[in-house]
Amino acid sequence: EDQVTQSPEALRLQEGESSSLNCSYTVSGLRGLFWYRQDPGKGPEFLFTLYSAGEEKEKERLKATLTKKESFLHITAPKPEDSATYLCAVQRGGADGLTFGKGTHLIIQP
Amino acid sequence: DAGITQSPRHKVTETGTPVTLRCHQTENHRYMYWYRQDPGHGLRLIHYSYGVKDTDKGEVSDGYSVSRSKTEDFLLTLESATSSQTSVYFCAISESLATFYNEQFFGPGTRLTVL
Repeated sequence: EDQVTQSPEALRLQEGESSSLNCSYTVSGLRGLFWYRQDPGKGPEFLFTLYSAGEEKEKERLKATLTKKESFLHITAPKPEDSATYLCAVQRGGADGLTFGKGTHLIIQP
Repeated sequence: DAGITQSPRHKVTETGTPVTLRCHQTENHRYMYWYRQDPGHGLRLIHYSYGVKDTDKGEVSDGYSVSRSKTEDFLLTLESATSSQTSVYFCAISESLATFYNEQFFGPGTRLTVL
């Protein structure tokens, strides 16, 4: 059974204070690992897809990395507008649904 | 929301009544998915479709059925709603496997309350 565990469950940072969110996974035959951002009352918003260990992707203040067992979402010098819940998900087959973690609720204080 | 709409956006119903949620896309994507999101569980797959009239079950399919008669529409039906089906329901779409990038894009969600 595919499993995704995200930590921490919640994180409160000061504006400008960099940190990392963790996503540990177990899946047989990983097709892709996905990061999403979700704001209250809205659907998940796609951020990144990672396909192989060693891969990195960046977007503004966010950088996602992937190893064979986990992925990190690094947030550099965050701003209050980065406050959201960040979701990690894995996919086994190309058409399969995603298996999600429970998310990390991130709060950036001014 | 990548050309995805869900209707209704909010619904309150009573136990035992049938409920149908609609997902409509304007992207002509082949794959469509229904998820539910509950506190403490995260998002879980209910059913998905890989083409018109082609559907399959997900992790939490009991009590739900789906239909897809057109590429753009994917319907989720609760035949007899129960309080345990109170949740937020999200539809997602994905491109054909002909492209390597198969990320899923989500709709705005439907909040369903079963009393």
